Amino acid sequence: DAGITQSPRHKVTETGTPVTLRCHQTENHRYMYWYRQDPGHGLRLIHYSYGVKDTDKGEVSDGYSVSRSKTEDFLLTLESATSSQTSVYFCAISPASGAYNEQFFGPGTRLTVL
Amino acid sequence: ILNVEQSPQSLHVQEGDSTNFTCSFPSSNFYALHWYRWETAKSPEALFVMTLNGDEKKKGRISATLNTKEGYSYLYIKGSQPEDSATYLCAAYTQGGSEKLVFGKGTKLTVNP
Repeated sequence: DAGITQSPRHKVTETGTPVTLRCHQTENHRYMYWYRQDPGHGLRLIHYSYGVKDTDKGEVSDGYSVSRSKTEDFLLTLESATSSQTSVYFCAISPASGAYNEQFFGPGTRLTVL
Repeated sequence: ILNVEQSPQSLHVQEGDSTNFTCSFPSSNFYALHWYRWETAKSPEALFVMTLNGDEKKKGRISATLNTKEGYSYLYIKGSQPEDSATYLCAAYTQGGSEKLVFGKGTKLTVNP
């Protein structure tokens, strides 16, 4: 298995509170991604990173910010969590552009916003 | 945002049956098509990455074909086994509008023993 961990694995929080999810990799892959997975939807890209301090928005980026200060860590922050952000969040990594390289997924974080 | 469609949404087959599902994507500015297998309570795992029209890939009893001109890919499973039960996701990577991998909603396969 690719060395990807996510923390926490489960979190329950209240509306309006800030939340940070962490993705950590030991593969030294350049690209890192955050997706959310909801019933009735496929995996939807929130943000991605193509290097340290290099990030870009995905399909559903509103309400989320990211940071990547080290190759191995990619943080996803919900500045003020809302119930619509209740979801399962997956981190993925890839050695190069996702066009020609498979993505390796972490175990997921289940977030519940009450 | 490009639209990636998968059909059927779900499928129940008997052990030993062969089956196939479809992934449709915009054919313009196509770069690559990915197939992932997602077992319940696990993470998605890559099956194939396909880029060229006419590509055929095989892994054990699972194979896939790609038609970039008409914008579809088929995934075939020969002699389905209960351990093949999973959701199969396809994802397309195209340029123009979105340069990221866009996933379909998946086909959920259940293989009954």
